[in-house]
Amino acid sequence: AQSVAQPEDQVNVAEGNPLTVKCTYSVSGNPYLFWYVQYPNRGLQFLLKYITGDNLVKGSYGFEAEFNKSQTSFHLKKPSALVSDSALYFCAVRGRGYNFNKFYFGSGTKLNVKP
Amino acid sequence: GAVVSQHPSRVICKSGTSVKIECRSLDFQATTMFWYRQFPKKSLMLMATSNEGSKATYEQGVEKDKFLINHASLTLSTLTVTSAHPEDSSFYICSATRGLQETQYFGPGTRLLVL
Repeated sequence: AQSVAQPEDQVNVAEGNPLTVKCTYSVSGNPYLFWYVQYPNRGLQFLLKYITGDNLVKGSYGFEAEFNKSQTSFHLKKPSALVSDSALYFCAVRGRGYNFNKFYFGSGTKLNVKP
Repeated sequence: GAVVSQHPSRVICKSGTSVKIECRSLDFQATTMFWYRQFPKKSLMLMATSNEGSKATYEQGVEKDKFLINHASLTLSTLTVTSAHPEDSSFYICSATRGLQETQYFGPGTRLLVL
């Protein structure tokens, strides 16, 4: 079975400080991993994905994520947080085999960036 | 590119009526469309996967006779909530993908309130 876990319901960080939103995955074989952001009453916006290649993936709005196979993690990071980064963040993994077309989402992490 | 729209963005209806929500891929042909339901402060719950010209595949626990999905073309999928009840009130989000290696592109969501 494939799944992702986001261990933190909420992350608080001061503007200008680095931020990390954690995600761990469970999937057999090589994972296809994604990060999305959701603003209030909006759909999800794609931030970045890891399919293969460099473990450090750069995405939209200055975000990046590091794929760590040994720790089965795909944490989202940003060197300097902005107040406008405050939103709900979802990690997702693509299914395998018969379920390749499905995405499995984490429970979401609310990021609060305070001025 | 890869824009997905949903209509309506918000709908209020009386209990017992049916509501149709449209999901369109505006600038690409979607091989597969997905329908999700999102409860407040919760993650996305996949309801069904829809392929053009074939019957939708519903997730376990989702009533296919209550949530009718039609995927008439490569750019349009509709979700009809039949005989709506207050417990059907939720935020419904569709997404579309244009290939096996692609991410999902999400619509902005539809807020349904059943009185």
